[in-house]
Amino acid sequence: TQLLEQSPQFLSIQEGENLTVYCNSSSVFSSLQWYRQEPGEGPVLLVTVVTGGEVKKLKRLTFQFGDARKDSSLHITAAQPGDTGLYLCAGPRGGYGKLTFGQGTILTVHP
Amino acid sequence: GAGVSQSPSNKVTEKGKDVELRCDPISGHTALYWYRQRLGQGLEFLIYFQGNSAPDKSGLPSDRFSAERTGESVSTLTIQRTQQEDSAVYLCASSTTGGAGYGYTFGSGTRLTVV
Repeated sequence: TQLLEQSPQFLSIQEGENLTVYCNSSSVFSSLQWYRQEPGEGPVLLVTVVTGGEVKKLKRLTFQFGDARKDSSLHITAAQPGDTGLYLCAGPRGGYGKLTFGQGTILTVHP
Repeated sequence: GAGVSQSPSNKVTEKGKDVELRCDPISGHTALYWYRQRLGQGLEFLIYFQGNSAPDKSGLPSDRFSAERTGESVSTLTIQRTQQEDSAVYLCASSTTGGAGYGYTFGSGTRLTVV
């Protein structure tokens, strides 16, 4: 059982559509992070959210941390083919310095 | 260097052989991590080095896996007597303080295929 559950696992959409990816847990996290990973590359940190209810925007990407700090969402507006990739949420767990990751959401944006 | 460097980028090895994977962290990053990513799965923690402290080896799946780090620089992950289930992408990451709340910088990984 994953400590962080992501949904959906797969998302295939057309350019210009909006989408939301969810990251849920039954446990409280002090912070959550979102990464994007492209084929053949390592994950790249997009954002860290640390305060319950926090909303952060990164161009067309909006990240939200739940009030209870058990969940987070990533919303992409007007998706573009360049948004294609594996999106991972992660949070500190299991000891100082260690992150636990969700299983990821594979996003494909078709031109 | 500017980023985390891993070598080799790809490695194909025969079952039963030993392999050594290398990671060069960002200069000045005291914390270094190894993760494993199997096809279609999330990242699995293997080992964590923080400065001169004893490493956290709690994620190593068996005694065939070991890792070393020289000071605050290069790390090597060694897998002895490789098995087919060891096939995966091995990712190295580093961070400034070791506080996971601030995020990691990952290398591009080593794709290991055991045949």
